[in-house]
Amino acid sequence: DGGITQSPKYLFRKEGQNVTLSCEQNLNHDAMYWYRQDPGQGLRLIYYSQIVNDFQKGDIAEGYSVSREKKESFPLTVTSAQKNPTAFYLCASSARRGLEQYFGPGTRLTVT
Amino acid sequence: GESVGLHLPTLSVQEGDNSIINCAYSNSASDYFIWYKQESGKGPQFIIDIRSNMDKRQGQRVTVLLNKTVKHLSLQIAATQPGDSAVYFCAENSKQAGTALIFGKGTTLSVSS
Repeated sequence: DGGITQSPKYLFRKEGQNVTLSCEQNLNHDAMYWYRQDPGQGLRLIYYSQIVNDFQKGDIAEGYSVSREKKESFPLTVTSAQKNPTAFYLCASSARRGLEQYFGPGTRLTVT
Repeated sequence: GESVGLHLPTLSVQEGDNSIINCAYSNSASDYFIWYKQESGKGPQFIIDIRSNMDKRQGQRVTVLLNKTVKHLSLQIAATQPGDSAVYFCAENSKQAGTALIFGKGTTLSVSS
């Protein structure tokens, strides 16, 4: 059963703590992405990776970091430098340009 | 800023009606477009896509129209059902963007029975 998994579904953290969101795919896709979605808003690109050991900043990379050590995994760390981290985070993957992106179920992060 | 946007943030229709959701894009170099459906609390799901060498593509109960002259994309849903209630996003891609998509803000479709 191929797809993208994100864990956990809900995550709560105290302000000042770093937190890492997990994203795994078994679709054998080269490219992976992280988006942030705020209530009533569209998706904003945080980081993306087109191949293992390489990644690029998206539109709102400040306060976030990523790694891509394996093809299947693209974890996102929300650091304490991110001023407004509470949001819904979505991970996606795609095989190549010109093909759809497949999305995971999302992680809702709440920082208090 | 964003190069993809939707004309209306909300659309309310009756069950059985046809729905039309619109999207304007500003990057004339975009050559691939996708429509996604997102239900509350879930990740977006692929509905249909279209490449710039086409002006129409049909799926099951859905049709996407692309007008490159005015840089306009629309999604038509036939015989709208309550299960179609969701937020609909268009997204675009160009060669210069690599594999990254640019998403619009979305239109919330509400279907009443």
